[in-house]
Amino acid sequence: DAGITQSPRHKVTETGTPVTLRCHQTENHRYMYWYRQDPGHGLRLIHYSYGVKDTDKGEVSDGYSVSRSKTEDFLLTLESATSSQTSVYFCAISSSGTGNTEAFFGQGTRLTVV
Amino acid sequence: GESVGLHLPTLSVQEGDNSIINCAYSNSASDYFIWYKQESGKGPQFIIDIRSNMDKRQGQRVTVLLNKTVKHLSLQIAATQPGDSAVYFCAENSHAGGTSYGKLTFGQGTILTVHP
Repeated sequence: DAGITQSPRHKVTETGTPVTLRCHQTENHRYMYWYRQDPGHGLRLIHYSYGVKDTDKGEVSDGYSVSRSKTEDFLLTLESATSSQTSVYFCAISSSGTGNTEAFFGQGTRLTVV
Repeated sequence: GESVGLHLPTLSVQEGDNSIINCAYSNSASDYFIWYKQESGKGPQFIIDIRSNMDKRQGQRVTVLLNKTVKHLSLQIAATQPGDSAVYFCAENSHAGGTSYGKLTFGQGTILTVHP
């Protein structure tokens, strides 16, 4: 899995609570991404990072924030979880951006908001 | 917005047959395409990629064909095996906003089932 670790792997949380998902990489890749995967929607980009402290929004960023204080860690935060954020979340990394090289994915985090 | 889609959501084949999975894309500016395989409970796994200056690329038992005229991408798997059973996604890279690194947009996926 290209040295990518997502934690936790599974989480159940209540509506309105904050949740943080962590992605840790050991590849020293510059680019990191958070996707969510839902039936009928495939994988959709939430946020991405093109360097330490450099992040930008993807197509489904509402309700999510990210932080990248060091190369190896990319955090995804749901400030106030909603049932619509129940999903499987995948982190991905890329050495020179997806315009040039493939992205490698982690194993995913299954989040359930009740 | 631009999107990538698939013609067939499911495909069932016999072991040993060749499989062809198709994908249509709509962003004519996309210049890099990737096929991913996803097994149950796992993250997408890179299979093969192709750039827009090519129309064919081969790997081990897999071939990707790109037809830019009709914006069509296909993945061919030779001598399909039960271990090939998975969901297959095509993804296109677009340089939205003028970025050099691009962002991947995924299709909905095709479920491939290989019967022994």
